[in-house]
Amino acid sequence: GENVEQHPSTLSVQEGDSAVIKCTYSDSASNYFPWYKQELGKRPQLIIDIRSNVGEKKDQRIAVTLNKTAKHFSLHITETQPEDSAVYFCAASIFGNEKLTFGTGTRLTIIP
Amino acid sequence: ETGVTQSPTHLIKTRGQQVTLRCSSQSGHNTVSWYQQALGQGPQFIFQYYREEENGRGNFPPRFSGLQFPNYSSELNVNALELDDSALYLCASGRDRYSGANVLTFGAGSRLTVL
Repeated sequence: GENVEQHPSTLSVQEGDSAVIKCTYSDSASNYFPWYKQELGKRPQLIIDIRSNVGEKKDQRIAVTLNKTAKHFSLHITETQPEDSAVYFCAASIFGNEKLTFGTGTRLTIIP
Repeated sequence: ETGVTQSPTHLIKTRGQQVTLRCSSQSGHNTVSWYQQALGQGPQFIFQYYREEENGRGNFPPRFSGLQFPNYSSELNVNALELDDSALYLCASGRDRYSGANVLTFGAGSRLTVL
C-alpha cells in the first residue's frame, strides 16, 4: 500500500519568513495530493491540493509543487503570519478514491 | 450549506465495551469516510461508505464496522474496545468520483478514551 513520509516533524520560522514542508510517497499510482491544516482541537481543513497533471499550484501565500518522477511534493508558505501556526498534514490518494494516506504531520510555529 | 457534524464530541469507555459514533454529512455529499487519529499522528483510513455499502477498507479489524443511512449520515461501531482504540475519530464526507470532486470535508471528531 501507499506510504507517505513527511519532514520536518516540527518547524519554527520568524514571522514574515517562508516555511517549506516536504513529503514523499511510494505508490506511483497516486495522483492526488492534498494538504490539510489542523489547529489544536479542531478539524483538519483542506488548504490546497494538486493533481499529478500539473507541477505547481498557487493560492495567495500558499503553493504546492509536485515532482512525479521523484515522488515528492512540497508545501510552501510565504510571508508567514502567526495564524499560520498549526499542524500541517500532507496526504496522497488516487483521485476519486477517498482513501487518503496521510503523513505524520508537521507542527509549524510562527515566532512573532 | 451545513458542514460535517459528529457526536458525541468526547466519551470514555472501558476495555471490552462497545461504542457507536455518529456523523452527519455535509449537504450535497453522498460518501462518508472514517479515520482514526491517534495523538500526535496523522489520520488513518478506516473505511468508506457509498450507497450504503462499504466501499474500501483500511488495515482495521472486523470489530470496526459502520453503516451509512439513506440520508447519507453514518455510524462507526467499535466492539470489544481495546486501550489502543483511544483516539480522535474523524468523519469526512465527499461527493462520489462521478461528480468530479474528490475534496473531503472533515468533522471536528469524536475523542474516545478507553480505560
